[in-house]
Amino acid sequence: GAVVSQHPSWVICKSGTSVKIECRSLDFQATTMFWYRQFPKQSLMLMATSNEGSKATYEQGVEKDKFLINHASLTLSTLTVTSAHPEDSSFYICSAEGNRGPLHFGNGTRLTVT
Amino acid sequence: AQKVTQAQTEISVVEKEDVTLDCVYETRDTTYYLFWYKQPPSGELVFLIRRNSFDEQNEISGRYSWNFQKSTSSFNFTITASQVVDSAVYFCALSGNSGNTPLVFGKGTRLSVIA
Repeated sequence: GAVVSQHPSWVICKSGTSVKIECRSLDFQATTMFWYRQFPKQSLMLMATSNEGSKATYEQGVEKDKFLINHASLTLSTLTVTSAHPEDSSFYICSAEGNRGPLHFGNGTRLTVT
Repeated sequence: AQKVTQAQTEISVVEKEDVTLDCVYETRDTTYYLFWYKQPPSGELVFLIRRNSFDEQNEISGRYSWNFQKSTSSFNFTITASQVVDSAVYFCALSGNSGNTPLVFGKGTRLSVIA
């Protein structure tokens, strides 16, 4: 079945550094991918919609200059958390949908900023 | 606007009991999709089911069953003869009628199955 690979699965970084998270669709092409964020014991909230070949669409309250999204190919979207701070520590998860079938999620990335 | 309500924050049952997780949704779309996902402690989301708004047939998959009631905007999930491995957070979610629309998640229900 459709598989979405997300890397890394966890990362610890120092405050002020940037972190890049990759989301790949392994056996299908995804023109659209979604990035969600989940704080501890909370639900998943949509951060942005990543469209191949065009600018991402960000949800209200999500800083586009802080969370850079690049969707340069039909199988890869990246989320870069720039100048990360402890409050950015969260679980980030991507999803993608092919031509058929339900949305598939990556396994998520647990980011800890110290 | 779309909204999903999972009123049960936490449920605890003893192994082999049946348990039903409630989900109520709001949408103005006439065509939409409903989902259930399981999130174990490791964090990944495990897809359980997708149902479109025109298919009100109840579905059974092993110990899992789903009851879709359009009249009450509910999409409840029942686990029969629960097992310890069923312990997880379960999310109900809703998406719009066109392809490539994101999911709106409920707040999740944390299920603990005690041996």
